[in-house]
Order: sequence, then structure tokens, then C-alpha cells
Amino acid sequence: DIVMTQSPDSLAVSLGERATINCKSSQSVLHSSNNNNYLAWYQQRPGQPPNLLISWASIRESGVPDRFSGSGSGTDFTLTISSLQAEDVAVYYCQHFYNGPWTFGQGTKVEI
Amino acid sequence: EVQLLQSGGGLVQPGGSLRLSCAASGFTFSNFAMSWLRQAPGKGLEWVSTIGGTTDDNTYYADSVKGRFTISRDNSKSTLSLQMNSLRAEDTALYYCAKQRIVWESWGQGALVTVSS
Repeated sequence: DIVMTQSPDSLAVSLGERATINCKSSQSVLHSSNNNNYLAWYQQRPGQPPNLLISWASIRESGVPDRFSGSGSGTDFTLTISSLQAEDVAVYYCQHFYNGPWTFGQGTKVEI
Repeated sequence: EVQLLQSGGGLVQPGGSLRLSCAASGFTFSNFAMSWLRQAPGKGLEWVSTIGGTTDDNTYYADSVKGRFTISRDNSKSTLSLQMNSLRAEDTALYYCAKQRIVWESWGQGALVTVSS
């Protein structure tokens, strides 16, 4: 199974400042057949189900603010919130969909 | 608008059974794979099971539930189900159904399953 490890476990960021979350997979999730990274990011606000933010490592879902961006390839990925807003307080999870079983990172809690 | 309305959670004794349901609307249900995921209290997310859409009628399970849980779908009623047998304390969690487009793009609100004597 591919193990996803996020860092840090939590971080506190001032409003308007940048937040950076890292995700590392135990093996590459870059598929050689199509050069795509099988990596997604989800946001889970308190008391809410997860919400898909980014797929294919860097493709924002419709409606997701452009302050959220994803980058990386192979085994190392980053979610960046360029200017933190109050509504961004949440736990963020990376997840691979390279092969089964699909697994998540342990989550990163973002606070103000 | 995609809606996934969940029902069926509750308290069950170890070794007991429970059935979760997820009523879908706002999309052509049969065309999409559907999944169940769970989140133990205060913990992270865990994929549980997936059932394919029209091009793939296979079922897939996490090792932790294989042989105990059964996922099924009724396309005529746009309903997804999860039959959970031989429940254990470690199955206690909030269970989510989710619409799958490779990734889980829409989620239900969750149904709490508590396994305790």
C-alpha cells in the first residue's frame, strides 16, 4: 500500500499570510503512461464532510478559489494557500488514486 | 445539484449488523462509481469500499472490511447501500458515501456508526 505522509500536522497562519502543506508518498504516483500525478487534495471544515479542492496534483475544482494551488510530482507535493482567509480554517488531506487501496495522509490542521 | 442523502447509522453491539443507505440525486447515478469512506472519531479519512458504474460492475474493499461488508447499488432507485456484518469496536466511525469520478467529488453528510456493548 502507498503511505501518504503530510507535514506539518498543524500550523497557525495569520490572516492574509501564506500557508504551505506538504505531502509525501511512499512511492511515485506519477503514471508513466500519461505523465499525470494521481494526487488529490481535500478540505474538511469543522463538522463538515470533505470537499475536493484539487485533483491531478494541480487542477483546481470548479468553484475553488484561486488562492489554493497544488504543485509537485512523483512523491512530493504541496498545497499552498496564498492568502489565508477565515473560512480556510480546516483540516487538509492529500490522497493518492494511483492504485488500490486509495489512501489519505493523516491530515494537516490549519488555524489562524 | 448533486445530493447524497444518507441514512441508517446507529448504535450496534459488537458482532452485530447494520445497513447504511445513500440516496443520490442531481446526476445520472448509474454512470458513476460510488464509494463508502469512514472517519473514526477525531481521526483521518479511510476508504472502505467502491462499486463501479456502468462500465465496471466490480466491487472493491479495504482489507479491514473485506468479508464483513458488502457494497451494492440499485440504479433504478439511485441508491447506494453498505451492509455491515460482524461489526467490531474499530468500525466505529462516521461513514460517508461519495460520488466517484476517479476522485471523490461529492460527499454525503455522513452517518454515525457506533459499535459498543
